[in-house]
Amino acid sequence: ETGVTQSPTHLIKTRGQQVTLRCSSQSGHNTVSWYQQALGQGPQFIFQYYREEENGRGNFPPRFSGLQFPNYSSELNVNALELDDSALYLCASSPTVVSPLHFGNGTRLTVT
Amino acid sequence: GESVGLHLPTLSVQEGDNSIINCAYSNSASDYFIWYKQESGKGPQFIIDIRSNMDKRQGQRVTVLLNKTVKHLSLQIAATQPGDSAVYFCAENQDNNDMRFGAGTRLTVKP
Repeated sequence: ETGVTQSPTHLIKTRGQQVTLRCSSQSGHNTVSWYQQALGQGPQFIFQYYREEENGRGNFPPRFSGLQFPNYSSELNVNALELDDSALYLCASSPTVVSPLHFGNGTRLTVT
Repeated sequence: GESVGLHLPTLSVQEGDNSIINCAYSNSASDYFIWYKQESGKGPQFIIDIRSNMDKRQGQRVTVLLNKTVKHLSLQIAATQPGDSAVYFCAENQDNNDMRFGAGTRLTVKP
C-alpha cells in the first residue's frame, strides 16, 4: 500500500510568484486535505476536497486554491506569494470525510 | 474563535516511565478527536482517535481519555521509549471538516 506522497520536497520562490504543490493520495482514499504548518506551530487547515469538489475551507485568502483529479490526486496553488507563506505544506488523504488523516511528509516552501 | 490548546509545550520523561500529554478544547460541539505524533522532517502520524460518545479508548501502549464536562483530552503512553520522542498534537473535528490542531507538546524521553 502506497502512502501519501508530495512533490517537490523543498521549493524556493520569490515574493509575488506563483507555486503549485502536488499530492498523490493513499490508495482507496477519496478525500484530500491541505494544511499549512509554520515553524513551531500546529498544522492549519487550508481546504479539503472530496470527489473533486471543495468540501470545506479554512481561513485562507482566495489566492490559495486547489484541485482534485479523478484519480484523487490533488494540487495546491498559491498565487502572489508573500513572505509569510513560507511554511511546510502538508497534504493528507482519508478514506472518508471524517476519519483519520494520513499525511505526507510535506513540501517545505521558502519565499524570499 | 474556539480552538484546541495544550497545557504544556514540553514534557521530559525517563525511559520506561508513563507519559501523560494533556489538551484542552473549547468547542463543545466537537464530536471527534485525534492524537497525532510528528517526528522531525515528517508529517503527522495518526496515533489514536476517540468519538464524543466514548470516555476512553485504548491502543497499543496508548490510551486516550476524553472528559466532556471540562473539555479535556489526554494521551497516556505506557512504558515510554526513546522512539516516542516527538511532538504530539491533539486535533478536533470542526463543522467545515477542518481538523483543528493544537500547538503541540514536545515529548523528550531521557535514557
